[in-house]
Amino acid sequence: QVQLQESGPGLVKPSETLSLTCTVSGDLISNHYWTWIRQPPGKTLEWIGYIHYSGSTNYNPSCKSRVTISVDTSKNQFSLRLSSVTAADTAVYYCARDDGIKFDYWGQGSLVTVSS
Amino acid sequence: EIVLTQSPGTLSLSPGERATLSCRASRSVGSAFLAWYQQKPGQAPRLLIYGASNRATGIPERFSGSGSGTDFTLTISRLEPEDFAVYYCQQYGSFYTFGQGTKVEIK
Repeated sequence: QVQLQESGPGLVKPSETLSLTCTVSGDLISNHYWTWIRQPPGKTLEWIGYIHYSGSTNYNPSCKSRVTISVDTSKNQFSLRLSSVTAADTAVYYCARDDGIKFDYWGQGSLVTVSS
Repeated sequence: EIVLTQSPGTLSLSPGERATLSCRASRSVGSAFLAWYQQKPGQAPRLLIYGASNRATGIPERFSGSGSGTDFTLTISRLEPEDFAVYYCQQYGSFYTFGQGTKVEIK
């Protein structure tokens, strides 16, 4: 059974960096692409970016300048860093398994609030 | 960027009725790259349909997808109580985008 679990601070101050980690169990990081998606309260889903275990990445142009996704194959984890956050970055952040066309396994989501 | 427009915004139906949800793309989308998800309050989205018409593992037969090019449809043949939720379409071009969602609510 493939499971993903997000972890990280639930509160981040404006202008600081949001950091989240996704721990994967039941599958190997090296088998797939892995993605971050977010959903502001009451709004639709927004894809942030994906990473392959080789380190290859692709980011949404809307936040590309602020995003870094990295992978740690030894821990079967991948991570998201989003710099210079504002209130508009307040959202539930999901990690998901990505096979290149769809997201078939999702984490439960982690609410991150940007506030001083 | 390919923009996906879903309609209607809200669909009010009774259990047992048929639901037809539309997803229209601003440019042609390869059928292999169109998926549908269901989301219930407080939960992560769940994959229903991929490749425009293929049901994901464990998805009941009452869910079906169709369409090509710029027009795609998700049909729920007979609504069960657990089907009342928000549905999103998603495409992959150079990057992924989602529609704004259709809420299926109990009439």
